Amino acid sequence: QSALTQPASVSGSPGQSITIPCTGTSSDVGGYRYVSWYQQYPGKAPKLMIYDVSNQPSGVSNRFSGSKSGNTASLTISGLQAEDEADYYCSSYTSSSTVVFGGGTKLTVL
Amino acid sequence: QVQLVESGGGVVQSGRSLRLSCTASGFTFTSYVMHWVRQAPGKGLEWVAVISFDGTNKYYADSVKGRFTISRDNSKNTLYLQMNSLRAEDTAVYFCARDPRSPGWHKLDYWGQGSLVTVSS
Repeated sequence: QSALTQPASVSGSPGQSITIPCTGTSSDVGGYRYVSWYQQYPGKAPKLMIYDVSNQPSGVSNRFSGSKSGNTASLTISGLQAEDEADYYCSSYTSSSTVVFGGGTKLTVL
Repeated sequence: QVQLVESGGGVVQSGRSLRLSCTASGFTFTSYVMHWVRQAPGKGLEWVAVISFDGTNKYYADSVKGRFTISRDNSKNTLYLQMNSLRAEDTAVYFCARDPRSPGWHKLDYWGQGSLVTVSS
């Protein structure tokens, strides 16, 4: 159950787009469309932003989008805003019927 | 409105036990798979365990297998995590979360605010 691989940090200026990759294996990310993304502010509970690779829950801005190619899933945030500055985590269902998270990416809005 | 409220956290000595509870309200508890996820201070999220709608199927992270037990009481709308043989590395905020998916659980769409467990040596 190795964690999915995410960059520790990414940054972008307001209005720009950024992409956060999340790399797993054929036993998790590559094997299913069961990938989700979470946003977390310091001291707060995570919030679901994307599920089923690319679906947005009701109420989540359409500036957030997800995709997948092979063993790598990606979260893209377009039209970056100051309020997007937070930690982002990917997760995936696995072939062992467990769940695995990525190590998390800190997004800084410059 | 949907509410998940964790309780039972605190300071415990290494090797001892602790039981966390998560009380659910505002939704049909039996329609959701339930997870425990933890976060060590300053670290990332770590999935801990999941339990099926009726409690018959349970899966665990390797780091807690054999020491932690997840359970649920659907008559009380409550999820539990029994933690035995606690170690310093179990120190974390423990979140409960609901998930409408089974199988393929990965859609943790609502989370509690967390309960801090500190294991002292």
